[in-house]
Amino acid sequence: DAGVTQSPTHLIKTRGQQVTLRCSPKSGHDTVSWYQQALGQGPQFIFQYYEEEERQRGNFPDRFSGHQFPNYSSELNVNALLLGDSALYLCASSLRGGKLFFGSGTQLSVL
Amino acid sequence: AQTVTQSQPEMSVQEAETVTLSCTYDTSESNYYLFWYKQPPSRQMILVIRQEAYKQQNATENRFSVNFQKAAKSFSLKISDSQLGDTAMYFCAFMKPSTYSGGGADGLTFGKGTHLIIQP
Repeated sequence: DAGVTQSPTHLIKTRGQQVTLRCSPKSGHDTVSWYQQALGQGPQFIFQYYEEEERQRGNFPDRFSGHQFPNYSSELNVNALLLGDSALYLCASSLRGGKLFFGSGTQLSVL
Repeated sequence: AQTVTQSQPEMSVQEAETVTLSCTYDTSESNYYLFWYKQPPSRQMILVIRQEAYKQQNATENRFSVNFQKAAKSFSLKISDSQLGDTAMYFCAFMKPSTYSGGGADGLTFGKGTHLIIQP
């Protein structure tokens, strides 16, 4: 049984560009959450998707947007990249508020 | 808004010793969940232990146990008989119950973490 898978594992972009990160939830899970983890910090909640809708959102600007597909997989999009967007982006899945399972993340570097 | 504070950036103990990691939090909620997560170099967050605020009994999972003091808003993690594989970043996290009925869960609020090093 595959756990939470994220792609790509590493990504390098330049300021002003746009990026899309992808997440496949653990089999049987229907809820996907995204977190940003800056170097030396704990993860910060970006948003959560359930039934293809954004249900909860943390304190992140509109440059951060997402999508959930009918198969429960999800994308995180970041527009107009800033140097400060460099971080590890973690995806987590769950089944209706149950235990969260995390992926290994996508390391984004903005130059 | 909730805040979670971990005041120990780094701790180092010898293998087989017992170590306690500290965590305090601030919230106006009466019902919530608290967690300890482990993040090894692989970067994947692994749930160590979970505590429900309405339960007075402290949670235990094998060598891992917590000391939950609700009035003091304190939630420490004790690791007994520490092993080399316990070396990792440990994060304390807070979550309030979901605010909608459709399912899912609220986002976690994490502390800054404690880097635990187990020496051979």
